[in-house]
Amino acid sequence: EAEVAQSPRYKITEKSQAVAFWCDPISGHATLYWYRQILGQGPELLVQFQDESVVDDSQLPKDRFSAERLKGVDSTLKIQPAELGDSAMYLCASSPVDTDTQYFGPGTRLTVL
Amino acid sequence: GEDVEQSLFLSVREGDSSVINCTYTDSSSTYLYWYKQEPGAGLQLLTYIFSNMDMKQDQRLTVLLNKKDKHLSLRIADTQTGDSAIYFCAESLFGGYNKLIFGAGTRLAVHP
Repeated sequence: EAEVAQSPRYKITEKSQAVAFWCDPISGHATLYWYRQILGQGPELLVQFQDESVVDDSQLPKDRFSAERLKGVDSTLKIQPAELGDSAMYLCASSPVDTDTQYFGPGTRLTVL
Repeated sequence: GEDVEQSLFLSVREGDSSVINCTYTDSSSTYLYWYKQEPGAGLQLLTYIFSNMDMKQDQRLTVLLNKKDKHLSLRIADTQTGDSAIYFCAESLFGGYNKLIFGAGTRLAVHP
């Protein structure tokens, strides 16, 4: 069964450093999502891509976060500089173009010291 | 505004049924979802229901939707220890590029 891949699974960094997360969606899924999940809360959407285009980045802190999906397949989410409050699970999800159903990867747990 | 609320904790005995409840505010929701999250893992899609349905059954899972009261429930029959996890309710907004709004999750603890 096809799955969403994410790496790394865990990342520990010091504040003010740069970090990057990678996501490879299920093959053929045109829509890709990045969510942030703070401990004890539900995921919140950071950015959504339709193919290579951003369709929603209203909750992305653009002063420090950036996301790209250059060829409309895999995607990278970057934080620079990282802050203590960025410690969270970063989840990637994908969905086919003809359905709302989102399939999630295992996530990257970020700890900022 | 968009808001999804869930009770935070549910404890059940192994073999009993579990019922996890969720309320949502946006009447334009198209689909409503239940996801399961085990410790340190991503979200696993359990089931979903289209907003014009009242009920959906999938093996041990039964989803009930009361659209008038904006209330969604997930019933797990014959709950097992492997069902211990956090369960998230989510709504997909019409016209919102399939954006999902999640509740805070209900932690289900199954004890012998």
